[in-house]
Amino acid sequence: EPEVTQTPSHQVTQMGQEVILRCVPISNHLYFYWYRQILGQKVEFLVSFYNNEISEKSEIFDDQFSVERPDGSNFTLKIRSTKLEDSAMYFCASSGPSGSYEQYFGPGTRLTVT
Amino acid sequence: GIQVEQSPPDLILQEGANSTLRCNFSDSVNNLQWFHQNPWGQLINLFYIPSGTKQNGRLSATTVATERYSLLYISSSQTTDSGVYFCAVIDRYGNKLVFGAGTILRVKS
Repeated sequence: EPEVTQTPSHQVTQMGQEVILRCVPISNHLYFYWYRQILGQKVEFLVSFYNNEISEKSEIFDDQFSVERPDGSNFTLKIRSTKLEDSAMYFCASSGPSGSYEQYFGPGTRLTVT
Repeated sequence: GIQVEQSPPDLILQEGANSTLRCNFSDSVNNLQWFHQNPWGQLINLFYIPSGTKQNGRLSATTVATERYSLLYISSSQTTDSGVYFCAVIDRYGNKLVFGAGTILRVKS
């Protein structure tokens, strides 16, 4: 069964460093998402991406964040200058052709900023 | 935006017991999904159920869209059912999932 994959599973970085989180969505899906979950809290939407552009973003997704689909398979989230409060689990998700709203989640990347 | 409320916030069960988790939402939805977050933090997709009833083994779910709630039933609970159960919805206007705060389930042997 096709699945969303994410790398790395765990990343430790120092405050102020740039990180790139990688995702490979399900191959025939058209919509891509990033969510994050701070430890002990609910899952929050960050950004959605369709047709090579951002379709919606939350207020969390400020200028420090960017997303890219550099090729036909990868979908990345970049945090330019990490802060302690960026420590969280980051989930990538994808959904299929128009009319199908079900979102499939990857296993997550745990980001720890020290 | 749409509000999602889950109850109860915490639930402790003896192995073998049954339970019902509830999700209320404040507006019409195009999507409703139930997830189980395991101890490693992974979100396991249990059901995609914007309306109707589905069953998968010991788990079943019902969404009554007109009354804006969904129920997740766990029968004959096992210790491996422990974790956090999240309900998430997409409203009529967008395409992002809005998550509830979750129900923390602990199953004791």
